[in-house]
Amino acid sequence: QVQLVESGGGVVQPGRSLRLSCEGSGFTFSTYGMHWVRQAPGKGLEWVALMTYDGGFEHYADSVKGRFTISRDNSKNTVYLQMNSLRVEDTAVYYCAKDQWSGSYYPFDHWGQGILVTVSS
Amino acid sequence: EIVMTQSPATLSVSPGERATLSCRSSQNIRSNFAWYQQKPGQAPRLLIYGASTRATGVPARFSGSGSGTDFTLTISSLQSEDFAVYYCQQYSDWPMYTFGQGTKLEI
Repeated sequence: QVQLVESGGGVVQPGRSLRLSCEGSGFTFSTYGMHWVRQAPGKGLEWVALMTYDGGFEHYADSVKGRFTISRDNSKNTVYLQMNSLRVEDTAVYYCAKDQWSGSYYPFDHWGQGILVTVSS
Repeated sequence: EIVMTQSPATLSVSPGERATLSCRSSQNIRSNFAWYQQKPGQAPRLLIYGASTRATGVPARFSGSGSGTDFTLTISSLQSEDFAVYYCQQYSDWPMYTFGQGTKLEI
């Protein structure tokens, strides 16, 4: 069965960096677009970043553009989120999610369990 | 940016009754629309995609309708496990995705 497992969260000071990882299994990882979505405590869902199946295209929410970088290593079935210049408002549970099918214009059919990132001095 | 607006913010319904949740898009998104269910401490779960198609394993009491800018999620006879927060999402504006702010369905 499809599984997505995030790791790398924790507590970090404002202005510092953190890298999240998400390892996929149970599907052909290299053929699906992957996303990061976050949820601040008690708030709704916010889409953060997308990377296409081959790593050839990436896109970001305005709130993280220029600070966060998504990447993937298909040989390791893993997608990453490098988060730099972290702010208090980046505090959230971060989920990775996969496209429902290969290609564009699809919802997210599987999600990881989420990993908490807390930005605090 | 396409803005998704859900209503109501909170819906109080008794078990066995019908629940109707709404979502409105600020632009025409055709049927590139999904509903998700999220229970406390869990990841979201895809319920409906293409505005009206149930995802794998979703019970038939869940149904979606609408296209363009107005969408509805109906739960025909609420079970105890259906009390959760529901989010709508548009994926028409690829590569930008947006979610609604959520509707909390409570007993």
